[in-house]
Amino acid sequence: NAGVTQTPKFQVLKTGQSMTLQCAQDMNHNSMYWYRQDPGMGLRLIYYSASEGTTDKGEVPNGYNVSRLNKREFSLRLESAAPSQTSVYFCASMEGGAGNQPQHFGDGTRLSIL
Amino acid sequence: GEDVEQSLFLSVREGDSSVINCTYTDSSSTYLYWYKQEPGAGLQLLTYIFSNMDMKQDQRLTVLLNKKDKHLSLRIADTQTGDSAIYFCAERNSGNTPLVFGKGTRLSVIA
Repeated sequence: NAGVTQTPKFQVLKTGQSMTLQCAQDMNHNSMYWYRQDPGMGLRLIYYSASEGTTDKGEVPNGYNVSRLNKREFSLRLESAAPSQTSVYFCASMEGGAGNQPQHFGDGTRLSIL
Repeated sequence: GEDVEQSLFLSVREGDSSVINCTYTDSSSTYLYWYKQEPGAGLQLLTYIFSNMDMKQDQRLTVLLNKKDKHLSLRIADTQTGDSAIYFCAERNSGNTPLVFGKGTRLSVIA
């Protein structure tokens, strides 16, 4: 009963290093999302993938890239980490389409950039 | 663009009722959600309401929707210390569009 799994749970990077955050879901959902959460800012959408093979920018895409590897997996890459990217990152998935479709969230990756 | 607003903080005494309010701007919102985030954890779906409903009750939780004023509220009856968390309001219109979240209301329950 895993739901949405994110790895790693914690990471510390130096400025300029690269890093890929992994996300996998086992609910056969079509849509997947990456958010960042900062104090007082709520959740901000970085990128999303409405279906396998498609990706779209969200509110704060600069400095990030994504890959929808297959239906299960959606990764987020920081090519050259900056201190402003210190945050908690959440992956979410949703079945997609019409009807009531809540997003299901992973437990987050806490990322610190020194 | 779409916007969802919430007050940032709410403090209540154990046993009292808590009311968390939310306003949204998108008149085409179809579904509205309440999520709970406990410290160090992800967001957990609490409840949702369809836009053609006025009220939904689920045990200690009551959701009220005033579609005319675009106002949503979450009432927690008999608030317990375990209810201390951040509560997010979110809205979505049809299709595959992502949810739009408010900034969250931090509920503190005083014993």
